[in-house]
Amino acid sequence: ETGVTQSPTHLIKTRGQQVTLRCSSQSGHNTVSWYQQALGQGPQFIFQYYREEENGRGNFPPRFSGLQFPNYSSELNVNALELDDSALYLCASSKTGTGHTIYFGEGSWLTVV
Amino acid sequence: AQSVTQLDSQVPVFEEAPVELRCNYSSSVSVYLFWYVQYPNQGLQLLLKYLSGSTLVKGINGFEAEFNKSQTSFHLRKPSVHISDTAEYFCAVSDGGSQGNLIFGKGTKLSVKP
Repeated sequence: ETGVTQSPTHLIKTRGQQVTLRCSSQSGHNTVSWYQQALGQGPQFIFQYYREEENGRGNFPPRFSGLQFPNYSSELNVNALELDDSALYLCASSKTGTGHTIYFGEGSWLTVV
Repeated sequence: AQSVTQLDSQVPVFEEAPVELRCNYSSSVSVYLFWYVQYPNQGLQLLLKYLSGSTLVKGINGFEAEFNKSQTSFHLRKPSVHISDTAEYFCAVSDGGSQGNLIFGKGTKLSVKP
């Protein structure tokens, strides 16, 4: 039990639609990161938020966007869904000064048809 | 740019046998190194991490890893595996600049057979 919860756990969307995935971080964690894990691959870093501001971004297009709220919960939004967006989306939270200990949620499985 | 190579995509092993999962990284700066485990339909769980200090790192569930700077490796070992160790294992690297920004390898699927 990592204290990081994600919703929904599974969802199916149609190509071209938009999706919002949610993450509730562990209490006191001020940094949240999002990862995409395609089937059979390792997770890939999408972006990170620290104190409600984007603090780093991986090689993902602008249609991937996010928000972090004052209570350190977070959202990942993906617009204009493509078939290749089908993946497990993982949220990870951490607290600065804790030796890079990062806690992952169980993920949201997105299928785009 | 940093990268991580996990040399074996699948490792089958019998119960109670030793196992080594190999990981090599490339980076031009000092790195932090991690091993995560992912059980089916679950998120990632941290097994162990190397930040500094002793090059031999002990983690949970009897796993350990050795940081070798000259060979840019961080191999994971367990002297005796159990059926319950069957899972996918990911090696990851961070330059420490942005906590939470990890570069992962493609994973090694460990299958423990009775």
